[in-house]
Amino acid sequence: EIVLTQSPGTVSLSPGERATLSCRASQSVSSSYLAWYQQRPGQGPRLLIFAASSRATGIPDRFSGSGSGTDFTLTISRLEPEDFAVYYCQQYGSSPITFGQGTRVEIK
Amino acid sequence: QVQLVESGGGVVQPGRSLRLSCVASGFSFSNYGMHWVRQTPGKGLEWVAVIWYDGSGKYYSDSVKGRFTISRDNSKDTLYLDMNSLRAEDAAVYYCARDRGTAMVSGYYFDYWGQGTPVTVSS
Repeated sequence: EIVLTQSPGTVSLSPGERATLSCRASQSVSSSYLAWYQQRPGQGPRLLIFAASSRATGIPDRFSGSGSGTDFTLTISRLEPEDFAVYYCQQYGSSPITFGQGTRVEIK
Repeated sequence: QVQLVESGGGVVQPGRSLRLSCVASGFSFSNYGMHWVRQTPGKGLEWVAVIWYDGSGKYYSDSVKGRFTISRDNSKDTLYLDMNSLRAEDAAVYYCARDRGTAMVSGYYFDYWGQGTPVTVSS
């Protein structure tokens, strides 16, 4: 099973700042089959990125994904108030699919 | 717009059963594979089960295999999860989630999720 480790656990930033979130896999993720989700309190996750760098439908272009192999990054170029939430990565290149433990982006 | 609304969660004693439902709207339900994913503060997000768009294929995580059954009624746009022999470790918020396709190809990710229904297993 591929273990995904996200860092940092929590990051404190101000609106307008740039957020860089990391997801590291214990083994190479096949075909860059990695997704990112956003979860706000009381809601289900929302797909942001799939295939490491493709934005999902309706996702603003301030969200971008990059990486391959074992190292992946989600970047939020300029934080909006609604972006303060928890972010999860998920690999779907190997069975079983697995999720990271999440990174909380909080308001500084 | 796509909506998934779960229901059926609650408090149940260990060893008992519970049925979760998920009503879908805003898309052609019968064209998509569907999943159940659960979330706990301790273990985080965990995939539970998948059913193909037509119901002909069903797969489960090892932790629920033999105890949980996923099903769907495409005439009612509804997904189900029958949970039997519940254990304390099954306590979680359960989400239904739409596959990006029919789910016949493994390598699942989820393009829409519901708001979740909580399950508590306690005597």
